[in-house]
Amino acid sequence: DSGVTQTPKHLITATGQRVTLRCSPRSGDLSVYWYQQSLDQGLQFLIQYYNGEERAKGNILERFSAQQFPDLHSELNLSSLELGDSALYFCASSVGGTNTIYFGEGSWLTVV
Amino acid sequence: GQNIDQPTEMTATEGAIVQINCTYQTSGFNGLFWYQQHAGEAPTFLSYNVLDGLEEKGRFSSFLSRSKGYSYLLLKELQMKDSASYLCAVREGAGNMLTFGGGTRLMVKP
Repeated sequence: DSGVTQTPKHLITATGQRVTLRCSPRSGDLSVYWYQQSLDQGLQFLIQYYNGEERAKGNILERFSAQQFPDLHSELNLSSLELGDSALYFCASSVGGTNTIYFGEGSWLTVV
Repeated sequence: GQNIDQPTEMTATEGAIVQINCTYQTSGFNGLFWYQQHAGEAPTFLSYNVLDGLEEKGRFSSFLSRSKGYSYLLLKELQMKDSASYLCAVREGAGNMLTFGGGTRLMVKP
């Protein structure tokens, strides 16, 4: 158990809908990262927050957005969902900017 | 940007040694990580190299050559539970974002 908690673990939704994935980082970690992993594909970096502020942005679609709250938990919002958005979404956290990143168990999103 | 290459699949025998290579191209190298990922599960941290040389941790060792843009993960005394994907990831610049390679799927056979 890495200490990073993600909910929900599984989610099935229809095309065009909107979902919110939630992440609680390890105690004391200030940085939160979101990654997407499609079937048989590598981990694609989406976005990073540090202490409430956006720190880095990867290949995140405009339909996707994220935020980190004062209590350091983070949410990833996915809207106008398409079939291709079906993937495993991982949240990860680290203490600061130069530490090992630890991953949560992921949220399985299936768009039908 | 970065380009990270590792073999897609490897097969090895239980009890043997296997070396998984990773090559990368980056403009501001700031560390290389190896993670293990079982199918459908979270990646788990294995090792971290920022200086040239070998880091040993039990049955797993990781090597880095910054001048060659090259790393390898060495797994000794292979066990069936070592069947998993092994992900090479590079940190670039001052931030802590990791860019991952496509992963190497290792199958350990009896």
